[in-house]
Amino acid sequence: QLHLQESGPGLVKPSETLSLTCTVSGDSISSSVYTWGWIRQPPGKGLECIGSVFHSGSTYYNPSLKSRVSISVDTSKNQFSLKLSSVTGADTAVYYCARTRSGSTYYYMDVWGKGITVSVSS
Amino acid sequence: QSVLTQPPSVSGAPGQRVTISCTGRSSNIGAGYDVHWYQQLPGTAPKLLIYDNNNRPSGVPDRFSGSKSGTSASLAITGLQAEDEADYYCQSYDISLSSLSGYVVFGGGTKLTVL
Repeated sequence: QLHLQESGPGLVKPSETLSLTCTVSGDSISSSVYTWGWIRQPPGKGLECIGSVFHSGSTYYNPSLKSRVSISVDTSKNQFSLKLSSVTGADTAVYYCARTRSGSTYYYMDVWGKGITVSVSS
Repeated sequence: QSVLTQPPSVSGAPGQRVTISCTGRSSNIGAGYDVHWYQQLPGTAPKLLIYDNNNRPSGVPDRFSGSKSGTSASLAITGLQAEDEADYYCQSYDISLSSLSGYVVFGGGTKLTVL
């Protein structure tokens, strides 16, 4: 059974870089069918897609975050990672990693991790 | 403000049928991009409920169904149960005509209350 688990610091200082890792078990991250993505949800608000990565390293980023985001994959560890630079309080959110399916007319997340709460505060 | 528009809340009594609308525009739903729905129970991660407009993942009861027409989509829940009380989000893809870059878009979410 596929399982995704987010890990990383729960507190990040303003202007610093948020770094999270998602460990995948029950499936190979090298699958040619799926990509692997990050989504976030600020407290009391809706969902926002951050981006995703293919096992080859090719990426998709939300245009509104593109200048600050980097998503990478480590196939040897079956993990993928998120880096978000120059964080502010607006980046405080629950961050989810998810397995993603995408094609010419679709992009959706079919399996999600439980999420990790990250607060930005000095 | 979300690119896809959902009603903030809907409610219904046990056993009833409710629908949740998701209104987009010509650059997303109207452009032919598929709509997907997620259910988020209180304090938990979202769960895929409907994909590609009207398909249910394994394990999702057939009480849940989706449809799409023009620039809008809908989620219908029949035989409403107390356990259905949750937030529901629609999601699709959008193409920015100015930059010709695509991006994933969500609705703002709808809170379903079972009376």
